[in-house]
Amino acid sequence: NAGVMQNPRHLVRRRGQEARLRCSPMKGHSHVYWYRQLPEEGLKFMVYLQKENIIDESGMPKERFSAEFPKEGPSILRIQQVVRGDSAAYFCASSPGLGQNYFGPGTRLTVT
Amino acid sequence: SQQGEEDPQALSIQEGENATMNCSYKTSINNLQWYRQNSGRGLVHLILIRSNEREKHSGRLRVTLDTSKKSSSLLITASRAADTASYFCATDGRDRDDKIIFGKGTRLHILP
Repeated sequence: NAGVMQNPRHLVRRRGQEARLRCSPMKGHSHVYWYRQLPEEGLKFMVYLQKENIIDESGMPKERFSAEFPKEGPSILRIQQVVRGDSAAYFCASSPGLGQNYFGPGTRLTVT
Repeated sequence: SQQGEEDPQALSIQEGENATMNCSYKTSINNLQWYRQNSGRGLVHLILIRSNEREKHSGRLRVTLDTSKKSSSLLITASRAADTASYFCATDGRDRDDKIIFGKGTRLHILP
């Protein structure tokens, strides 16, 4: 059973471009969480999704950020018109429900 | 706001010594988890302790949970150089739908 997959592992974007981060949960997991880790800071919750539904997006910036978890395919975290402050590591985690979350290796986004 | 708060923020000890890290949280939980993160890598789940458990062991790791004080401790015995990493506690709360909340972590450095 493959773990949580994230791609790309590293992504470089110029200011104003769009960034798309993908997360494939573990097989059988229908819960996906996205976290952001800024340099020198802890992980911060962004959004929690179940298949085709956003359950909690309280940690998501109101503008430029969106997330989806379609019926088929990976979960996508989309950042439009990236700015330097978006540079961070973005982790997703999946879970079958209550309890343990399994994390992916993260995507390191660098905005130049 | 962050649910878990690790203490200390940074810890340096000699190889072979024991390392103790603490975590405090604010609300009712289903379980508490400890994670390790090596530099540039994803989070690795270490141990999960449920709210009705008081102590749990896994190899050189010992975790305690005191729900009355809303605190947990992670003890690493006979530390090794490979234990150098950041350690995070995370809580899976009763009041939130499966969302995991992390603290800022304790940076542990094992000196040779």
